[in-house]
Amino acid sequence: KAGVTQTPRYLIKTRGQQVTLSCSPISGHRSVSWYQQTPGQGLQFLFEYFSETQRNKGNFPGRFSGRQFSNSRSEMNVSTLELGDSALYLCASSIGSQGAYEQYFGPGTRLTVT
Amino acid sequence: LAKTTQPISMDSYEGQEVNITCSHNNIATNDYITWYQQFPSQGPRFIIQGYKTKVTNEVASLFIPADRKSSTLSLPRVSLSDTAVYYCLVAANQAGTALIFGKGTTLSVSS
Repeated sequence: KAGVTQTPRYLIKTRGQQVTLSCSPISGHRSVSWYQQTPGQGLQFLFEYFSETQRNKGNFPGRFSGRQFSNSRSEMNVSTLELGDSALYLCASSIGSQGAYEQYFGPGTRLTVT
Repeated sequence: LAKTTQPISMDSYEGQEVNITCSHNNIATNDYITWYQQFPSQGPRFIIQGYKTKVTNEVASLFIPADRKSSTLSLPRVSLSDTAVYYCLVAANQAGTALIFGKGTTLSVSS
């Protein structure tokens, strides 16, 4: 079956702009989680959506937001971009909520903020 | 959430067995131990998960002692393609639990 897909794969934005990233989970998966990965901080949890509801949230400012649609596809939005937001953004899907089930990760979106 | 400690890096040669140990002294009763593998510019990939004793699948084994305060991921006969970062996670196997990835162990396999 098709894996987790993320679009776009690469993105270059200017400081102050906003960006929306998209994630399509594996068919049948209801949970989508988002992570930010940087060389300095490693993999950090942003938030998890399950059946269109935010189930869990990491320690990120309110500029980072997300949502999940009825077909389980998810979007992540970052407003007022800062240079420090440059990172690989990964989404992962699972059949159930992330604490209980294997996570399947997408290839990520490489965001560069200039 | 139980904090995990694992070596920052390890080196090995092709064909050798590699054992990566993870410490999780304050693991809770309902916590499971999960290992993920990550190659550069890719998302992590699930390797194995266990609760106690030994778990084996087609790519690795996971050894968990009775006190569950540590665990060891064993990779038999590694190849160059096993060069990656390996993460040990401890989390309750229940809905609403966030996965916390540490720094992981960078395994370098040489010929």
